Amino acid sequence: AQKITQTQPGMFVQEKEAVTLDCTYDTSDPSYGLFWYKQPSSGEMIFLIYQGSYDQQNATEGRYSLNFQKARKSANLVISASQLGDSAMYFCAMREGIYSGGYQKVTFGTGTKLQVIP
Amino acid sequence: DTAVSQTPKYLVTQMGNDKSIKCEQNLGHDTMYWYKQDSKKFLKIMFSYNNKELIINETVPNRFSPKSPDKAHLNLHINSLELGDSAVYFCASSQEGTNTGELFFGEGSRLTVL
Repeated sequence: AQKITQTQPGMFVQEKEAVTLDCTYDTSDPSYGLFWYKQPSSGEMIFLIYQGSYDQQNATEGRYSLNFQKARKSANLVISASQLGDSAMYFCAMREGIYSGGYQKVTFGTGTKLQVIP
Repeated sequence: DTAVSQTPKYLVTQMGNDKSIKCEQNLGHDTMYWYKQDSKKFLKIMFSYNNKELIINETVPNRFSPKSPDKAHLNLHINSLELGDSAVYFCASSQEGTNTGELFFGEGSRLTVL
């Protein structure tokens, strides 16, 4: 079964508008971390934002916020005031067992390609 | 100074050849990884090392052999290259026990097998 599901292969958004990229995850581990990465056309992977399963508040980093709904197992990325430079692939990822010790791999979703229209 | 650096960035080679990709991180992290990104952009973990010890070994053909001479370096050697090995290979590092443990990625090495 997929651990991380991103159901939107591609999305368009008008410049200066907000956009939500969906991510759902599957785990039975109570301690996990969720990440979002951006991959522009140049290819590098850029870390955007992190949410821990025990964090009480939704994470925010500048124009990025993570809409964390634990009961629904969703961790959607919200980008406010989209800019042309936001056009990229966006990956949701999860690391399980972050507080239980041991080493857990980071599993990635299939990504969403976001295109910002001027 | 680049935090995670990989060489070479581009590699074009013939089927059947052997090639290596090198990775170095100067972040002082104790864990390093190799990920493979296929043509559909799917990122899949291949290996992970913690302090030179192999801790994650996914279902990868044994033609792929990682080597970690020290915790700052993780190299990937591929024998008898096949067409399906064409992909972008990313090295990454993280620090276990930190609050987030996010991965820091290198720029990727694009391997093309002809």
